[in-house]
Amino acid sequence: ETGVTQTPRHLVMGMTNKKSLKCEQHLGHNAMYWYKQSAKKPLELMFVYNFKEQTENNSVPSRFSPECPNSSHLFLHLHTLQPEDSALYLCASSQEDERRELFFGEGSRLTVL
Amino acid sequence: GQNIDQPTEMTATEGAIVQINCTYQTSGFNGLFWYQQHAGEAPTFLSYNVLDGLEEKGRFSSFLSRSKGYSYLLLKELQMKDSASYLCAVMDSNYQLIWGAGTKLIIKP
Repeated sequence: ETGVTQTPRHLVMGMTNKKSLKCEQHLGHNAMYWYKQSAKKPLELMFVYNFKEQTENNSVPSRFSPECPNSSHLFLHLHTLQPEDSALYLCASSQEDERRELFFGEGSRLTVL
Repeated sequence: GQNIDQPTEMTATEGAIVQINCTYQTSGFNGLFWYQQHAGEAPTFLSYNVLDGLEEKGRFSSFLSRSKGYSYLLLKELQMKDSASYLCAVMDSNYQLIWGAGTKLIIKP
């Protein structure tokens, strides 16, 4: 138990569906992140929120839309995805200190048919 | 460009010692992390090095040489539960984390 909870753990969707991934952290951290993890590739940072404000968007396609209603919750809204978007989506949180140690959720395994 | 290199896969024997290397080329340096990730689970923090030298934490140690752009993670008295992927990540001058692709460690009895 890392203090970061992601739902759902597994999701299968068609290319025309709309779905959302949810992340909640119980650690009192002020930064939250979405990462994409594909097999045998480095973690790819997608979005960063500090104090609910988006501070980074690493050239992510608009079919991925983040939402951060408060410092404890983070969503990733998905629509018209492509099969190459199939991956493990990891949420993480950290304090905004010099070290910025990340605490990860267990991920949402997404399959796009 | 920025780059982190680590071996894709390593195999070791239960009870032995294994060293997982990580070399990096980044724009600045603000620390190096090692994370452990068991299959189907969240990555979890193992170590953080910002100064040169060896940091020991139980059976695990992490070494850093900033002049050589090099780190290693040393695992002693290997146990079957140490079978996992080990991720090396460097924080650059903008406090962005640059990740390696991970090393899958297989422990055999």
